[in-house]
Amino acid sequence: ETGVTQSPTHLIKTRGQQVTLRCSSQSGHNTVSWYQQALGQGPQFIFQYYREEENGRGNFPPRFSGLQFPNYSSELNVNALELDDSALYLCASSLRIGEGIGYTFGSGTRLTVV
Amino acid sequence: QKEVEQNSGPLSVPEGAIASLNCTYSDRVSQSFFWYRQYSGKSPELIMSIYSNGDKEDGRFTAQLNKASQYVSLLIRDSQPSDSATYLCAVQDNNNDMRFGAGTRLTVKP
Repeated sequence: ETGVTQSPTHLIKTRGQQVTLRCSSQSGHNTVSWYQQALGQGPQFIFQYYREEENGRGNFPPRFSGLQFPNYSSELNVNALELDDSALYLCASSLRIGEGIGYTFGSGTRLTVV
Repeated sequence: QKEVEQNSGPLSVPEGAIASLNCTYSDRVSQSFFWYRQYSGKSPELIMSIYSNGDKEDGRFTAQLNKASQYVSLLIRDSQPSDSATYLCAVQDNNNDMRFGAGTRLTVKP
């Protein structure tokens, strides 16, 4: 059984560019959530996907968008990058949707916007 | 705005002592509560979950929940230097929305 894998591990982009981050969920997990974690802060909820549909969104602008594929892998896309988008982006998968289900996190993608 | 509050620390305890980590939350409909441990430069890992009022023990870890006071805590007994990390409190409501506190940084000194 494989865990949650994210790619790339590190990325440097220029302000105004676009970026795509990828996540493969743990085997058997059909729910994926994306979080942004700034240095010294807790993870902030971006959005969640369940069976290829968005199932909730945090307080992030529309330039943050996502996809979930039939194999439950997922992408996070960020357009028009800003300096404040520099953070660790975490993908978390869970066995199913619903409360009481803990998340398994990937190792994250460290994005630096210059 | 649903808030999860934690004392950012740092909290420093000697090896073998009990470390006590606290968390309060603002949303009364929250039903599920989690503690995650995050080592520096790593991703969070789930260490405890609790859903009912009272205590839940798992090895050296005890989670305590008081829904009336909107308070959840984590006790680490016989603290070890390897327990040095940031501990994140997470609260989940019935919409499956899981929100995290900013974390408490714990240092266990040998």
